[in-house]
Amino acid sequence: EAGVAQSPRYKIIEKRQSVAFWCNPISGHATLYWYQQILGQGPKLLIQFQNNGVVDDSQLPKDRFSAERLKGVDSTLKIQPAKLEDSAVYLCASSLRDRVYIRTDTQYFGPGTRLTVL
Amino acid sequence: SQELEQSPQSLIVQEGKNLTINCTSSKTLYGLYWYKQKYGEGLIFLMMLQKGGEEKSHEKITAKLDEKKQQSSLHITASQPSHAGIYLCGAGRLQGAQKLVFGQGTRLTINP
Repeated sequence: EAGVAQSPRYKIIEKRQSVAFWCNPISGHATLYWYQQILGQGPKLLIQFQNNGVVDDSQLPKDRFSAERLKGVDSTLKIQPAKLEDSAVYLCASSLRDRVYIRTDTQYFGPGTRLTVL
Repeated sequence: SQELEQSPQSLIVQEGKNLTINCTSSKTLYGLYWYKQKYGEGLIFLMMLQKGGEEKSHEKITAKLDEKKQQSSLHITASQPSHAGIYLCGAGRLQGAQKLVFGQGTRLTINP
């Protein structure tokens, strides 16, 4: 079974530029997550989709970050314009959960995209 | 203070030695997940615990959950170079939908 795919693996941009990341979850997984992991810290949830609807985006900086999940499969995360503090690894994860209110659900992660903002 | 505390933050052990990593939650747990991360890469799922007293093992790695104390420990027996990496615990939270909150990670180095 193929895992979570992400691209690109690495991206270097200058501040105020735009960037987009792509994620393809494990086949059949209803829930998709985007995390930001700053060096030396644990991942922080940015946004959570169930199918193509947003379940939680409370920690997404909406003035510069946006995300979509068209047709409930692939997802794109965009930053526009980027700031120096956006330098981090952006992780995509997916889980099987097909109902919002369940107690436990294992998330499987992709390899991540390392973003450097100069 | 952190919602999920891991200790120690870093650990250097001699190959063949045993070691333990701890994870303590300040809030109610809805599942406790252990992941391993190689530098600059994604997280690899190791184990999930959800019941008090539960213990799971995979190869030489054992994880236990003390639900009353809201703590979990990860124990590695006879460590090998392949065990090196960052170990992250994730606490399941029910805030509307179920979500994961992660600790800051424990960086494990194995010296030959």
